[in-house]
This record gives sequence, structure tokens and C-alpha cells, in this order.
Amino acid sequence: DGGITQSPKYLFRKEGQNVTLSCEQNLNHDAMYWYRQDPGQGLRLIYYSQIVNDFQKGDIAEGYSVSREKKESFPLTVTSAQKNPTAFYLCTSSVGNSGNTIYFGEGSWLTVV
Amino acid sequence: AQSVTQLGSHVSVSEGALVLLRCNYSSSVPPYLFWYVQYPNQGLQLLLKYTSAATLVKGINGFEAEFKKSETSFHLTKPSAHMSDAAEYFCAVSAVPNDYKLSFGAGTTVTVRA
Repeated sequence: DGGITQSPKYLFRKEGQNVTLSCEQNLNHDAMYWYRQDPGQGLRLIYYSQIVNDFQKGDIAEGYSVSREKKESFPLTVTSAQKNPTAFYLCTSSVGNSGNTIYFGEGSWLTVV
Repeated sequence: AQSVTQLGSHVSVSEGALVLLRCNYSSSVPPYLFWYVQYPNQGLQLLLKYTSAATLVKGINGFEAEFKKSETSFHLTKPSAHMSDAAEYFCAVSAVPNDYKLSFGAGTTVTVRA
């Protein structure tokens, strides 16, 4: 079955450390997105990619980095420059150019200790 | 655990007509409720949210939603549809006070007829 896989589901990080969240899809989707969710807030877009080897900053890209070397993979690195990294991170994908069916990963909880 | 159900995967309206998108939620605690929109080739965008303040919530682009606890509903409306409202709309719920995770509905695709 096709879908999006995010890992790890739970992650603890010490202050000052970088951490990378994985997002893999086998749906052959062109577009992939990373969002951040804080309690009582809406999702906020961190980065998105419409095509391999290309990505754009979203609304809150500072302190994050991404890569899109393969169509099926869009990892997100939370760097030590991100001041408040504790949050829920959601990866999604969509076909991109036609239709709007969007698929969601299960999300990753990152806690800084 | 919480969940949402969006009634109707596709809605077609005429330009100028009322837009009504239905969302019912299930939550064991008082919920936070959200409506998101995704326009073609764009990311998800927050339309509005309910966080236990006023039950009638106004959002962007003329949309509003009313929280009805007795009906466990959070339906989204817009009095007069515009061609630019054609998009996919998602209802989502999270538990309060400190739950991070959103549970999304399956989405409703809106088409607007000229």
C-alpha cells in the first residue's frame, strides 16, 4: 500500500544538537511539505518541495534545513539554531500538478531536553 | 482520542451561492478545531480555528465556522462563493490543552461553477 512514512515517531534531543526527521513516500508524488504544530496553533509551513532538487522556504524556515535528492524522500533537519524546536512535525505529499489529494504522515514528536 | 468526519468528498457550487462544508468531531476532551485550505500547487493554509473562545469564528477570505457542542459540529460557510474558492478543504481537531497532534478529516474538494 502506498503512503508516507515518518520516522522517528518520538525523538528527544539535547539543546545544541542537530536532528534529522525522515519522510519517505512511495506514492510517486511530486510535492512534499513539512509543517510544524504547536499546542493550540494551526500548522505552519516550514519548507516545501514541488520537484526533485528544488525546495522553497515556508513561513518559518529559520533554524531548519531540507534536501530533496530523491523524489520519494524529503528529510528535515532541525538545527541548533532553531530556538524552540519542541513541537509536532508533520510531513505531507500531494500530486502537485493535477488534483489536490493530499496524504499525511503520522507525524514526529520532537522534545528538547 | 479525537477524530473528525467531513461529510461529502466533493461539493460543487455556483458562483455567488452559499458554500457549506460539514465537519463533525469526536473528542473526549474539549477540542481545538481547525479548517485548512489547500489551493492548487500550494501548501496547507489555515482558514480559521476554534480554541474555546467565541463559538462563531471568522477566518480569512470571508469564511466562518460555528462550533456547536450539542451537535459536535464545526461546519464551514461562506455566503457567496467566488471562483478563487476552488480548492480542497480539511477539517482538523486536536485535544486541549497541550496536545500537539492534529487529526485531519479526509478533505472536501470544492468546485465553483461560473
